[in-house]
Parts: sequence; C-alpha cells; structure tokens
Amino acid sequence: NAGVTQTPKFRVLKTGQSMTLLCAQDMNHEYMYWYRQDPGMGLRLIHYSVGEGTTAKGEVPDGYNVSRLKKQNFLLGLESAAPSQTSVYFCASRAAGVGTDTQYFGPGTRLTVL
Amino acid sequence: GNSVTQMEGPVTLSEEAFLTINCTYTATGYPSLFWYVQYPGEGLQLLLKATKADDKGSNKGFEATYRKETTSFHLEKGSVQVSDSAVYFCALSDRAGGTSYGKLTFGQGTILTVHP
Repeated sequence: NAGVTQTPKFRVLKTGQSMTLLCAQDMNHEYMYWYRQDPGMGLRLIHYSVGEGTTAKGEVPDGYNVSRLKKQNFLLGLESAAPSQTSVYFCASRAAGVGTDTQYFGPGTRLTVL
Repeated sequence: GNSVTQMEGPVTLSEEAFLTINCTYTATGYPSLFWYVQYPGEGLQLLLKATKADDKGSNKGFEATYRKETTSFHLEKGSVQVSDSAVYFCALSDRAGGTSYGKLTFGQGTILTVHP
C-alpha cells in the first residue's frame, strides 16, 4: 500500500497562474482533507470531502476549489495564484465511522507563488 | 469553536533529558485528542491518541493523558533521543458521529531539537 500520495512535491508559480494538486489514497477511505501549513500557525483546513462527489469548505477556503470525482482522488485547484498562497499543502484521508478517527497524511507539496 | 494551544517553542534539549510539551484545548462535547509528529521533509504521522477522559495514549516512549478537568493533553517522554528531533502537533477531532466529519483542529506546532 502506498497510503496517501501527493503530486507534485514542489512547484513554483507566478502570480495569476493556475495549477492543480493531486491527492490519491489506496485505503478506500471515505473522508479526505486538504490542509495548508504555515510557520507558527499549525495546519489549517482548506476543504474536505466526506465521499465521492461531495466537497465542503473548511477554515480557509478562499482562492481554492476542490473536486472528488473518484473516491480515491481529491484535487485541489488554484485558479489564480497569489503570493499569500505560498505554503506547504498536505492531503489526508481517514475511514468513516466511530472508532476510526486517525487521519493519514501525504508527504506534502511545497508551493511558492512569486 | 474548537481551538488548541501548544506551549511556545522551539524546545532544545540534550539527549536523555525529560521532555514535556504542553497542550490545552477548547471544545464542545467530548473530542478525541491526538499528537502528530512531523520529521524533517516529511508529512505528519500519528504519534498517539486518546478518545476519552483519563485515557493514556502511548507510543515510542511518549505518553499523554486526556485530562478533561484541566482540558489538557500534555506530551511527555522520560529520555529523549536525537532521533526525536521533529515538529510535534497537538490536535483534536470532534466525534465522527456528528456533522464535523472528524475534522482536525491543530495547535501551532512545537519544534523539538535534541543535541547529543
């Protein structure tokens, strides 16, 4: 099992460019999440999904869109990148139901917006 | 809303020293509590967790006890090693049976550096 994988690992964008980050999990998890990590602020939830075809906003959703067309994949899009979106992005997944509350994280994508 | 507060860092220790990283939380209901660890250049890994009051989570020599009366979940280790150098995150999750869908609320992270 690969667990949770993220593509790409690094990316540099210019202001106004767009890109999509891909998250894939092979654990058949229902729930998936996108977080951003900034120094001194921990991880903050951007968007999440509780199943194929569903998405919902987290704590800091502005400037991002997501899609969950397949259960195993969760895409994070930036339509018009801004320097404030320079961050490390982590995807996570977990099983649904009580007693299955551990989230499993990918290795992260380091994004720099110039 | 939910919140998690960790002790200010960074923390620098010598090998075999005792480690405490404080964590307090604010939440409605009965959250699950977690410690995640992030080694340099990697994603987060679950270190330990506790799901109800007075539970003690433990792993790799680390321990934390869920204290509802003080809303705390402090991380401790009796003798740290150089390999424990990492960033440690305290987090909480609402019960999955509600509408929160297990979303995690993280503390700001504490950088631990252990010197030989």
